[in-house]
Amino acid sequence: QKEVEQNSGPLSVPEGAIASLNCTYSDRGSQSFFWYRQYSGKSPELIMFIYSNGDKEDGRFTAQLNKASQYVSLLIRDSQPSDSATYLCAGAIMDSSYKLIFGSGTRLLVRP
Amino acid sequence: GAVVSQHPSRVICKSGTSVKIECRSLDFQATTMFWYRQFPKQSLMLMATSNEGSKATYEQGVEKDKFLINHASLTLSTLTVTSAHPEDSSFYICSAKRRTVPGELFFGEGSRLTVL
Repeated sequence: QKEVEQNSGPLSVPEGAIASLNCTYSDRGSQSFFWYRQYSGKSPELIMFIYSNGDKEDGRFTAQLNKASQYVSLLIRDSQPSDSATYLCAGAIMDSSYKLIFGSGTRLLVRP
Repeated sequence: GAVVSQHPSRVICKSGTSVKIECRSLDFQATTMFWYRQFPKQSLMLMATSNEGSKATYEQGVEKDKFLINHASLTLSTLTVTSAHPEDSSFYICSAKRRTVPGELFFGEGSRLTVL
């Protein structure tokens, strides 16, 4: 069973702090990883993807990938109340066909 | 990002009826589309993978005769929930994959189905 694991949270941080969201995956064959943000009652929206070991920065967001440890993370700098949402980590696998396996999501609360 | 449109956003139907949900990629060609289902406070559950011009691939435990998927063109996939029952009430979300690397998915707005 190929899995992506996330802590469900909620992760509560004060406004302006760094929020750190973590994800582990079981399939060593996974090459690409994605972070999606989902507001309550809405569909997921893509924040970032990463497929090379190391860090990738985009504005206030930094994705980190460590393939040896099978670990992916998302850092959100200068957290804002509008960042409060559920963050879904997904890994791409090639099973019988290409698919994304999603974690259960981490709920982030940014306190004003 | 790319735009995927899903319609209808909300639908209420009586038990035993069928409901069709459309998913369109508006600004790119999607050879592959995916249909997910999400229950409250749970993650996305992949139901099936829809490939243009061929039969859909269903995940284990998903009834293909109940959830009919058609991917007639490079920009349109449909999901029909046949003979709907209250336990089919859920949030259904489609997504489309661009051909380019790394293969991220773009999601439609989702369709909330309520079966009375």
